[in-house]
Amino acid sequence: DAKTTQPPSMDCAEGRAANLPCNHSTISGNEYVYWYRQIHSQGPQYIIHGLKNNETNEMASLIITEDRKSSTLILPHATLRDTAVYYCIVREAYSGAGSYQLTFGKGTKLSVIP
Amino acid sequence: NAGVTQTPKFQVLKTGQSMTLQCAQDMNHNSMYWYRQDPGMGLRLIYYSASEGTTDKGEVPNGYNVSRLNKREFSLRLESAAPSQTSVYFCASSEMGQAFPVHFGNGTRLTVT
Repeated sequence: DAKTTQPPSMDCAEGRAANLPCNHSTISGNEYVYWYRQIHSQGPQYIIHGLKNNETNEMASLIITEDRKSSTLILPHATLRDTAVYYCIVREAYSGAGSYQLTFGKGTKLSVIP
Repeated sequence: NAGVTQTPKFQVLKTGQSMTLQCAQDMNHNSMYWYRQDPGMGLRLIYYSASEGTTDKGEVPNGYNVSRLNKREFSLRLESAAPSQTSVYFCASSEMGQAFPVHFGNGTRLTVT
């Protein structure tokens, strides 16, 4: 699976858009980009995933560059409750037994400032 | 609709003791997972069950066993706990066709002394 690089920490003002970058320059054609977050002392939370088209759901938008070497998770109006560690993960789609592995790195600690 | 429920929330064991961590989901999901999380490290997959009746090893299975009791329940057993197994354990689930965890429990905080 391709490796990802994320900044260790970021700040965002409450009410502004939070743009979290992720570099995955070695991504291959059949690898998806997944985003999760973990609020302190809670279980992780799945946010969104995508292959090459931009994706949006009720939580966030995922923008993947045309060359797919990087992506950005956008929280359109950050609130204090969005303060969390955000994980960007790259992995192939399901390809049989053994492919359920999802490797979490250290992520980006996002602090939303009042 | 409780989602993924883990019990207990906290546990302290002595080295060599055994225990079972329980996990249940009420979303009729096919796949279930067990992860551990240690300070300063990301989550690591211990075992997963793609569907009822099947289990597979993840990244760090040594020292653990699992049972997919039925579609709802997936338990993790430590036969002889070691201090290296002090960690926070998370259970997760996902629907058929999603080979990635979607819903997580709130974790079991285990300390082995």
